[in-house]
Amino acid sequence: QQQVKQSPQSLIVQKGGISIINCAYENTAFDYFPWYQQFPGKGPALLIAIRPDVSEKKEGRFTISFNKSAKQFSLHIMDSQPGDSATYFCAASSTDQGGKLIFGQGTELSVKP
Amino acid sequence: EAQVTQNPRYLITVTGKKLTVTCSQNMNHEYMSWYRQDPGLGLRQIYYSMNVEVTDKGDVPEGYKVSRKEKRNFPLILESPSPNQTSLYFCASSLLGTGALPGHQETQYFGPGTRLLVL
Repeated sequence: QQQVKQSPQSLIVQKGGISIINCAYENTAFDYFPWYQQFPGKGPALLIAIRPDVSEKKEGRFTISFNKSAKQFSLHIMDSQPGDSATYFCAASSTDQGGKLIFGQGTELSVKP
Repeated sequence: EAQVTQNPRYLITVTGKKLTVTCSQNMNHEYMSWYRQDPGLGLRQIYYSMNVEVTDKGDVPEGYKVSRKEKRNFPLILESPSPNQTSLYFCASSLLGTGALPGHQETQYFGPGTRLLVL
């Protein structure tokens, strides 16, 4: 019940295309859903996050879509650029568990020029 | 510059030889955590600390120890490393546990990682 399942494991997108990464969870107590971006040789860094009281959050070319009833959330990268090539992790946490982050398995995104 | 530092960045060792990976943050964060990253498994929490002298097990604590004697430092200790501990390790910190307060978002800041190979 603590798992966060992420797909796909890897993704290749052409420059200018839309990248979509999906995550699913089971624990209905989760109340915070961040996405982290990791470049090779670096630690993960927060990209964008959402709480379940909204269905969508947009920051520039990055959008989180959240479906509470389906217990799913996804990251959309519009107009994907080669500089977006990185590994993306979804995560979830709940207030009643002290905010411990549970991470998905990661998606390696490659944007081809 | 606000940051989390880890040392060493790369380490090759042999089975059974005790080692310590240091982690330090300069942001006065209460919460610190250690993760290991393995292909196909994502980031899994090893240990975490809510404050000085307060530590607790994460999801994969076996074979690891931690201590939190000072707020800024959170070393990871492998008393007797084994090959299955070969991995990429990350230290992270945040003001509080991420999402620990209703309606409050806490960014977790990660260090640059330590790549460990146990032969």
